[in-house]
Amino acid sequence: LAKTTQPISMDSYEGQEVNITCSHNNIATNDYITWYQQFPSQGPRFIIQGYKTKVTNEVASLFIPADRKSSTLSLPRVSLSDTAVYYCLVGDIGPALIFGKGTTLSVSS
Amino acid sequence: DAGVTQSPTHLIKTRGQHVTLRCSPISGHKSVSWYQQVLGQGPQFIFQYYEKEERGRGNFPDRFSARQFPNYSSELNVNALLLGDSALYLCASSPTLQGTSIQHFGDGTRLSIL
Repeated sequence: LAKTTQPISMDSYEGQEVNITCSHNNIATNDYITWYQQFPSQGPRFIIQGYKTKVTNEVASLFIPADRKSSTLSLPRVSLSDTAVYYCLVGDIGPALIFGKGTTLSVSS
Repeated sequence: DAGVTQSPTHLIKTRGQHVTLRCSPISGHKSVSWYQQVLGQGPQFIFQYYEKEERGRGNFPDRFSARQFPNYSSELNVNALLLGDSALYLCASSPTLQGTSIQHFGDGTRLSIL
């Protein structure tokens, strides 16, 4: 399984764009990159998933360079409610998701 | 549509006791997975069931067991509880076993061991 490395914490202000980068140097050919968000005392919530290039949905964008050894989750114009832990997961192992410690994002006014 | 539901939401037990946690998946989802999340860490995979059969098991002792029922709901059982079993236990469901299948999590059961 590809190991992921992401910053432990990040700080931002409301209205700013936040980019969280995840390194996964040993990503395999069949691996997808998936990001989850978790609020305190709640289960993780799926944000976005991609394989290569760029994926965008209503809440975030995911940028994946050609070598796929890293990926960047982009959150446009964050608000206080975006304060959460963000997990980057890489793999093609079925429902046995492997979580790291994630990135704690703190958004201030 | 109802999401993944777990019961109870909170539970307090003492060392040596037994506990049963319950999970109802999203309607139509045949796969259920269980995770343990201790404070400050990401969720750790315990079990995965699909069509009532165990399809995966994480690095947990035999005190942990689970099963899935014909309606795809699931139970997680933990025997001989230890203080270290205090954690948030999460259940997730997905429609298939495919690696890209998105898992939908419940809000967990907070288990405290005294």
